[in-house]
Amino acid sequence: EAQVTQNPRYLITVTGKKLTVTCSQNMNHEYMSWYRQDPGLGLRQIYYSMNVEVTDKGDVPEGYKVSRKEKRNFPLILESPSPNQTSLYFCASSLSSGGHYGYTFGSGTRLTVV
Amino acid sequence: ELKVEQNPLFLSMQEGKNYTIYCNYSTTSDRLYWYRQDPGKSLESLFVLLSNGAVKQEGRLMASLDTKARLSTLHITAAVHDLSATYFCFLVSNSGYALNFGKGTSLLVTP
Repeated sequence: EAQVTQNPRYLITVTGKKLTVTCSQNMNHEYMSWYRQDPGLGLRQIYYSMNVEVTDKGDVPEGYKVSRKEKRNFPLILESPSPNQTSLYFCASSLSSGGHYGYTFGSGTRLTVV
Repeated sequence: ELKVEQNPLFLSMQEGKNYTIYCNYSTTSDRLYWYRQDPGKSLESLFVLLSNGAVKQEGRLMASLDTKARLSTLHITAAVHDLSATYFCFLVSNSGYALNFGKGTSLLVTP
């Protein structure tokens, strides 16, 4: 089944403890991206990647890192999480950056930083 | 910067009624998407609109795109409870890389 898989689905962590949220797609998509969803703010783009080893910042990149060493994986790294990063996170992928065939979203990761 | 404005943000409607959700955007774009999100779930694709004048229909939902007016509409016909969800429109920047979302329309269909 074609899908975008995120792990974990739920995570509670403490301030400052490094964490990684994984995202993997099995569709050979070139484009992948991360979003955070907050009440009243909708979805905002954190980082995106056009292909292997090519990444760029979205609207809210502060406090996050990403890497794209393989086409299928695009992990989101929080080096020192803070409570304002408590949010619902989504990964998405698309065949190409143009998005002509739409985007596939993962199931989401609900992160709580205490 | 591409800004996307959806309205209304909240919509409560009775079953059987018709209504329209609007998505306005600030700069030129010819790729607009409508997605649905159920509570606690991921986003599911409804429509991909890729050209001016595009109209697509699926069941009780119909979406259209007017790139000259920078406006897309999502029309709901004879609403049923199963349509209760949050609906998002978003666009791709002209660079092709950045996605810009509206804040979503939370729809509740009541008997």
